[in-house]
Amino acid sequence: DVKVTQSSRYLVKRTGEKVFLECVQDMDHENMFWYRQDPGLGLRLIYFSYDVKMKEKGDIPEGYSVSREKKERFSLILESASTNQTSMYLCATRIGAANTGELFFGEGSRLTVL
Amino acid sequence: AQSVTQLGSHVSVSEGALVLLRCNYSSSVPPYLFWYVQYPNQGLQLLLKYTSAATLVKGINGFEAEFKKSETSFHLTKPSAHMSDAAEYFCAVSGSANYGQNFVFGPGTRLSVLP
Repeated sequence: DVKVTQSSRYLVKRTGEKVFLECVQDMDHENMFWYRQDPGLGLRLIYFSYDVKMKEKGDIPEGYSVSREKKERFSLILESASTNQTSMYLCATRIGAANTGELFFGEGSRLTVL
Repeated sequence: AQSVTQLGSHVSVSEGALVLLRCNYSSSVPPYLFWYVQYPNQGLQLLLKYTSAATLVKGINGFEAEFKKSETSFHLTKPSAHMSDAAEYFCAVSGSANYGQNFVFGPGTRLSVLP
């Protein structure tokens, strides 16, 4: 079975803290994605990676960075958390570059920044 | 550029009634289309996908969707709603050359099922 695991389901952090959200997949997929989900705005792409150490900015990269040192792991980093980064964060993977392939999602990480 | 619109941010139906969730897309290339479902505090789960084979696509949980190129639509239907169908539904399109960013989601439709 396909498995995308996000390390933390719920986090509460304070403004200015550094936050790490980790995502691990066991499917050997090349592509990994981080989305942010907010009510009324749907899913917005923050960053994606198509290979180890490769990354590309999505639609809303400001305030975020990512790391992909191993194929199976893709981390989202908030260098200095702010209250407007309170949101649901979703990691997803996709096989290869095929446009027919669907995204596989983790359970999500709900972050609250106080 | 690609985009997806979903008519109605919230749809309510009675248990046993027809479910119809609307999705329209725009794409400059032949699209691949997807419907996802999200239950509260969970990730998204694929319901079904269209990838240029049959235009009527059957998915899980009794859902199906029909690709209509002339209408640029991919509406999701289920003949008889069940209480467990209450969730948020997202339509998505894929198909541009920039494969990394080519998965575009609609804003979502929240489905309520009334007893």
